[in-house]
Amino acid sequence: TQLLEQSPQFLSIQEGENLTVYCNSSSVFSSLQWYRQEPGEGPVLLVTVVTGGEVKKLKRLTFQFGDARKDSSLHITAAQPGDTGLYLCAAIHYNQGGKLIFGQGTELSVKP
Amino acid sequence: DAGVIQSPRHEVTEMGQEVTLRCKPISGHNSLFWYRQTMMRGLELLIYFNNNVPIDDSGMPEDRFSAKMPNASFSTLKIQPSEPRDSAVYFCASSLAGTSGSSNEQFFGPGTRLTVL
Repeated sequence: TQLLEQSPQFLSIQEGENLTVYCNSSSVFSSLQWYRQEPGEGPVLLVTVVTGGEVKKLKRLTFQFGDARKDSSLHITAAQPGDTGLYLCAAIHYNQGGKLIFGQGTELSVKP
Repeated sequence: DAGVIQSPRHEVTEMGQEVTLRCKPISGHNSLFWYRQTMMRGLELLIYFNNNVPIDDSGMPEDRFSAKMPNASFSTLKIQPSEPRDSAVYFCASSLAGTSGSSNEQFFGPGTRLTVL
């Protein structure tokens, strides 16, 4: 059983479409991070959300942390082929000294 | 600026052989993490060090796996003997850890793709 459930696992869309990726858990986390991984490379941090209800924007990407700090979403507006990659959510448990638990990831493909 | 450096980038070996993966963290970082990534299981934390001391090795699959961090600038992950099910991409990451519960960015290396035949 995954501590962090991501959905959908795979997403194939056309350039210009909008999409939302979800990261859910029954546990409460002190913070949650979103990473993006391109083929042949390691994950790269996109954002960290800390406060329940927090919304952060990174250009066309909007990240939200649930009020209860158990879930998060990533919304991409007007997706571009350069957004293609594996999107991973990762959570930090309280008092775990930075230990991250990763979700299974969402594989996004944006076709021109 | 140099990021996390891993070597080798690719390793192909035969079952039963010893495999050693190497990692050089970012200078000044005090935490180092070893992960394994497969299609089936995703990204799994194997072990992490803080100030060169192993803190949590609960993710290490079995006794065939061992990790060391002899100094702040070098770590190894060893598999002996290797098995086909160990085939995966192994990532090393480092961070500058603050107080417990703080949000610290982890910087990942490019990974080592291991194939055990």
